[in-house]
Amino acid sequence: GNSVTQMEGPVTLSEEAFLTINCTYTATGYPSLFWYVQYPGEGLQLLLKATKADDKGSNKGFEATYRKETTSFHLEKGSVQVSDSAVYFCALSRGGADGLTFGKGTHLIIQP
Amino acid sequence: ETGVTQSPTHLIKTRGQQVTLRCSSQSGHNTVSWYQQALGQGPQFIFQYYREEENGRGNFPPRFSGLQFPNYSSELNVNALELDDSALYLCASSLGGAGGFTEAFFGQGTRLTVV
Repeated sequence: GNSVTQMEGPVTLSEEAFLTINCTYTATGYPSLFWYVQYPGEGLQLLLKATKADDKGSNKGFEATYRKETTSFHLEKGSVQVSDSAVYFCALSRGGADGLTFGKGTHLIIQP
Repeated sequence: ETGVTQSPTHLIKTRGQQVTLRCSSQSGHNTVSWYQQALGQGPQFIFQYYREEENGRGNFPPRFSGLQFPNYSSELNVNALELDDSALYLCASSLGGAGGFTEAFFGQGTRLTVV
């Protein structure tokens, strides 16, 4: 079946540090890949997506590249801010009626 | 354009009771899916509705059921509540066909506590 594995948190960084959150997946075919962000007490917000191999999704300074050869979709940001503190979820969809498959989430804490 | 709205935001139920959660999908979206998010975990797919019919289901028992209405709003019903049903329930809407969707937009969730 489909599965998503993320690096475990919490990840604690200082403001302006470089961020990488690792995500790897297992799926048949060619899934679409997503990063969602969840702020405290809120639902999920779509951060970025990629629908085919070598696509790069980007938004708000975050980037992730769909790497089919390594089945990965790592999230990166060059300079994090305190406001980036949240839980980040990697997810995949095969486009059928199976919904989204999520990783367990990575709690990111940015200290001033 | 309105986003996805869910009601209520919080509720407390007793084990064995039944509960109904509601979701209004984003304008123009015809597909609704529901997810259960236990504390500290990622969301788990419960089921998906397209054109008022369930067209996909995750690994949840039949006491989890749903409806989608002609205006694409949706309900999640859970019967015979168990303590482990305590979780954040998320509704997501998307524009898709019977074969799936491209991306989902989530509501704020309903926090259900079973005591």
